[in-house]
Amino acid sequence: DADVTQTPRNRITKTGKRIMLECSQTKGHDRMYWYRQDPGLGLRLIYYSFDVKDINKGEISDGYSVSRQAQAKFSLSLESAIPNQTALYFCATSDLGQPQHFGDGTRLSIL
Amino acid sequence: QQQVKQSPQSLIVQKGGISIINCAYENTAFDYFPWYQQFPGKGPALLIAIRPDVSEKKEGRFTISFNKSAKQFSLHIMDSQPGDSATYFCAASKAGTASKLTFGTGTRLQVTL
Repeated sequence: DADVTQTPRNRITKTGKRIMLECSQTKGHDRMYWYRQDPGLGLRLIYYSFDVKDINKGEISDGYSVSRQAQAKFSLSLESAIPNQTALYFCATSDLGQPQHFGDGTRLSIL
Repeated sequence: QQQVKQSPQSLIVQKGGISIINCAYENTAFDYFPWYQQFPGKGPALLIAIRPDVSEKKEGRFTISFNKSAKQFSLHIMDSQPGDSATYFCAASKAGTASKLTFGTGTRLQVTL
């Protein structure tokens, strides 16, 4: 089983819909992150959490929200999806000072 | 503001050749510089990382060269193989926050036979 699992792997939806992307981990890491990847832009940090009670905005948090339901679970929500949120989304986990481990991503298309 | 600039955007190298990818950073507070490798349909995976107290780090065919005064670092892949074909990202983070990374824009490497 994968250490960092993202669901769904692919999603197509319409403008204005609410969408939730989920991430779960079996690595026991305290820190979790959400990134989006766009061609030519690399990975950009949306939100991160250093423990269950800690939520921090990244560089591109507008239009997104997150929930850290447990140490192992970190969800990303798009309250009202818009086409320019079409991207590849990655969840990652880490311990303090240790490398990040990424899931295999969710490909999201908003029509 | 692009804090980590990566070049080239794409690279084609023959099997057995040397692949070189360059990154430059602006923030002098950065003190951890990893490279990630990403295959299609997969998430990025840590390949090799360096801290600025050394000028070079080598792991197998992969070497990071670091130039603190120029605020530049590069990845060299020696004896490049078709299996190295992937997208490579450089990244950087600040002291005490090795987990919060700023990524470059990525380089798509293709190694031909």
